[in-house]
Amino acid sequence: GAVVSQHPSRVICKSGTSVKIECRSLDFQATTMFWYRQFPKQSLMLMATSNEGSKATYEQGVEKDKFLINHASLTLSTLTVTSAHPEDSSFYICSARDSEGGWREQYFGPGTRLTVT
Amino acid sequence: GQQVMQIPQYQHVQEGEDFTTYCNSSTTLSNIQWYKQRPGGHPVFLIQLVKSGEVKKQKRLTFQFGEAKKNSSLHITATQTTDVGTYFCAGMDSSYKLIFGSGTRLLVRP
Repeated sequence: GAVVSQHPSRVICKSGTSVKIECRSLDFQATTMFWYRQFPKQSLMLMATSNEGSKATYEQGVEKDKFLINHASLTLSTLTVTSAHPEDSSFYICSARDSEGGWREQYFGPGTRLTVT
Repeated sequence: GQQVMQIPQYQHVQEGEDFTTYCNSSTTLSNIQWYKQRPGGHPVFLIQLVKSGEVKKQKRLTFQFGEAKKNSSLHITATQTTDVGTYFCAGMDSSYKLIFGSGTRLLVRP
């Protein structure tokens, strides 16, 4: 089946620094990728929709200048958390939609656990 | 905006008992998907329902999609300790975004 990878799987950074998280579709092309955030014992909250070659669409309440998304190719989207603060500590998960697929074809990455100290 | 509610928030059952989680959307859904997330893991796709009134089975798991395509349920027969985790429904809205329910955490006593 289709595989989505994320890197890094875990990251610890100091407050005020920026962190970049990569999301790759390994065996399919993805014109659309999604970024979710999950706080402990909570559901996945959609942060933004990333479209290859165009600007990301952010959900209400998500700061686009803080969470920079770049979808430069059909297999790679990156999320950069700028000037991270402890409240940004969370589990960030991406998913990718297979460009050739239909309803079902959205695959989730393994997630990146960010801890800001 | 669209909301997807899920109940119960969590359920603690004895191994061998049945378990059901319910999902309700504020709007009609294009389709609904179900995911399982183990502690510390990421969501794993279980199934997708598309048709009104659709029922699908996967071994001990039975999934239903309501006639109005606004609600769904997941029923597990004779739970096992391997069923432990959080079960999420996720409805796809008209713009093809997945909106996740709040999840039901299942704990199984051996």
